[in-house]
Amino acid sequence: DGGITQSPKYLFRKEGQNVTLSCEQNLNHDAMYWYRQDPGQGLRLIYYSQIVNDFQKGDIAEGYSVSREKKESFPLTVTSAQKNPTAFYLCASADSGGAGNTIYFGEGSWLTVV
Amino acid sequence: GNSVTQMEGPVTLSEEAFLTINCTYTATGYPSLFWYVQYPGEGLQLLLKATKADDKGSNKGFEATYRKETTSFHLEKGSVQVSDSAVYFCALLNAGGTSYGKLTFGQGTILTVHP
Repeated sequence: DGGITQSPKYLFRKEGQNVTLSCEQNLNHDAMYWYRQDPGQGLRLIYYSQIVNDFQKGDIAEGYSVSREKKESFPLTVTSAQKNPTAFYLCASADSGGAGNTIYFGEGSWLTVV
Repeated sequence: GNSVTQMEGPVTLSEEAFLTINCTYTATGYPSLFWYVQYPGEGLQLLLKATKADDKGSNKGFEATYRKETTSFHLEKGSVQVSDSAVYFCALLNAGGTSYGKLTFGQGTILTVHP
């Protein structure tokens, strides 16, 4: 089936550790995105990428890093520099960033710092 | 920069009531507008979209019209069901300038429908 796969669904991290969230899509989309959602709040953009080997910071990039070595993959690393990482993380993709293109979302990953 | 403002919730309705969730936006250029729905513990699903002024998006009984003159994209449904209970997000995709490809969301509106 075509779609966006995020893993793991649930992840626990100790303070001071880096963790990487996986996002894979088989939709042949050029654009990929990472959003963070806190309970009862909207989505905030962390990073986005319009093409392989290129990405841009979103509104809350501090404490996060990404790579885009392959078209289908856009992993997000939550570093120890992120002071409040507990949240729901959503990966998304689109054919491109142009007008009229729909952005599709994965099922999300829950990250909890213990 | 771009921004999206939704009416504050939560919104509580009885089944078969009329629904309106207001959404206004600020953007440069000619953005595309979207409504997404999120069920508990899940990702976001596209509900409907409109790509230019006066376009009407519709799906599953929901409608929204892209009004450039009032910079609005209000969501409406004539008769809600219990199964419509979810969080609804208005979003804007800017297709030009330095914000190319960036999808900006409103804060979300929680809708609860009672039998």
